[in-house]
Amino acid sequence: DTAVSQTPKYLVTQMGNDKSIKCEQNLGHDTMYWYKQDSKKFLKIMFSYNNKELIINETVPNRFSPKSPDKAHLNLHINSLELGDSAVYFCASSQGGQRYNEQFFGPGTRLTVL
Amino acid sequence: AQTVTQSQPEMSVQEAETVTLSCTYDTSESNYYLFWYKQPPSRQMILVIRQEAYKQQNATENRFSVNFQKAAKSFSLKISDSQLGDTAMYFCAFMKRDRGLIFGTGTLLAVQP
Repeated sequence: DTAVSQTPKYLVTQMGNDKSIKCEQNLGHDTMYWYKQDSKKFLKIMFSYNNKELIINETVPNRFSPKSPDKAHLNLHINSLELGDSAVYFCASSQGGQRYNEQFFGPGTRLTVL
Repeated sequence: AQTVTQSQPEMSVQEAETVTLSCTYDTSESNYYLFWYKQPPSRQMILVIRQEAYKQQNATENRFSVNFQKAAKSFSLKISDSQLGDTAMYFCAFMKRDRGLIFGTGTLLAVQP
């Protein structure tokens, strides 16, 4: 039983294309995140959704648009892909609230833009 | 803005020895959380240990322990009895409540047989 799943795991595409990465969690969590890990392994948060509402939107080009159809899903759509978008994208989820709750990460999606 | 610094890009340790990975952070917050994550070659992010800033006692998880110095804003990870399976990239991370994780640049640890 996969807690946080992402599809696809690998994505190779041409510059200028539009692509989506899907994320699903079956943990009943109400907060989901997208992180980007670049070629130097640096991890940076991109977005966070709580109960389908956007609560974190870091400095990310507006070509990136997260969409949360329900609490269990947070998809990432990328328009007009550029070479610099090549990275590993991680989805994560946690149970929100006042106390700390562990973030569970998906396996990552390696995006390669040619 | 919060920042997390890991000054050791790479480290090496012999199997069964002890190694300490360094992490410092900068924040004006008083209540926050600190973490160490492990990323093996499989690229899966695995939580190793966490520390709540209001707790003075250092967290321990089996062979992993931290030295949390709040005033110095230091959060180092000690791995005892290193095993080959500990070979991975280790990330220090900061979080304030439900905000996202802010990661350091990582330390690549190699455990030598």
